[in-house]
Amino acid sequence: EVQLVESGGGLVQPGGSLRLSCAASGFTFSSYWMYWVRQAPGKGLVWVSTINSAGTSSYYADSVKGRFTLSRDNAKNTLYLQMNGLRAEDTAVYYCARGVGTSTTFDYWGQGTLVTVSS
Amino acid sequence: DIQMTQSPSSLSASVGDRVTITCRASQSISIYLNWYQLKPGKAPKLLIYTASTLQSGVPSRFSGSGSGTDFALTISSLQPEDFATYYCQQSYTTPTFGPGTKLDI
Repeated sequence: EVQLVESGGGLVQPGGSLRLSCAASGFTFSSYWMYWVRQAPGKGLVWVSTINSAGTSSYYADSVKGRFTLSRDNAKNTLYLQMNGLRAEDTAVYYCARGVGTSTTFDYWGQGTLVTVSS
Repeated sequence: DIQMTQSPSSLSASVGDRVTITCRASQSISIYLNWYQLKPGKAPKLLIYTASTLQSGVPSRFSGSGSGTDFALTISSLQPEDFATYYCQQSYTTPTFGPGTKLDI
C-alpha cells in the first residue's frame, strides 16, 4: 500500500525556518517525481515545488522561489522541504504527493502537515 | 499561468442525485485535466485523470468529460461518502487548480 506521511509542521515566527519531511512507503520511491502542494486556510490548492526522481532537478512556485528548497534522500525514502524566511502567507496545510510519470498528475497524497507562521 | 475556474462554488444535493461540476481553463489544455476529492483531515484523492480516465479503485459512478477548455465531473448517483470538496487541476503546464466545489447535503 502506498503511504506518504508528512511531518515537521508547527508554529513558527515570521522570518523563521522549518523543515518538512515526507516519509514514503509501499512503492519504489526513487522512481517517482515528487511534489509539495499547499492549502491555506479557507483557500484552494496551490502547487509549491517539484523534484525529479534522482533529486538532481527541482522547481518552485514564484511565491517560494529563493526561500524554499526541496530535496530527497532516496536511500531513506524521504522527501524534505526546507522553508526559510517564512511569511504569514505561507500558513497552510502542506501535502506531499507522488507524480504519475513526469506528468503533474498526483496519484497519491499524504494527509498533510500544518504550518502556521505567526508572531 | 493557466487559470482554472469551477462552477458552482458550492452545491447542495441529496443521496441518489446526479450532479455535474464544470471546470474551465483560460486556454486550451487538450485533455490534461484531473479531478480530486478532498475531505477534512484526509489525504486528497485522485478521481479522474486526462479528463475522462477513472483512477483505479474509484467507483464507476464518477465520470469525467471534456477537452480543450471545458470539462465536467459527473457523479451519477450520490452516495453519503461523496460529500466533499472537488478540485480540477490542469497538468498541461505548471500545475494550477480550480477554486473548488463544495458538495454538501
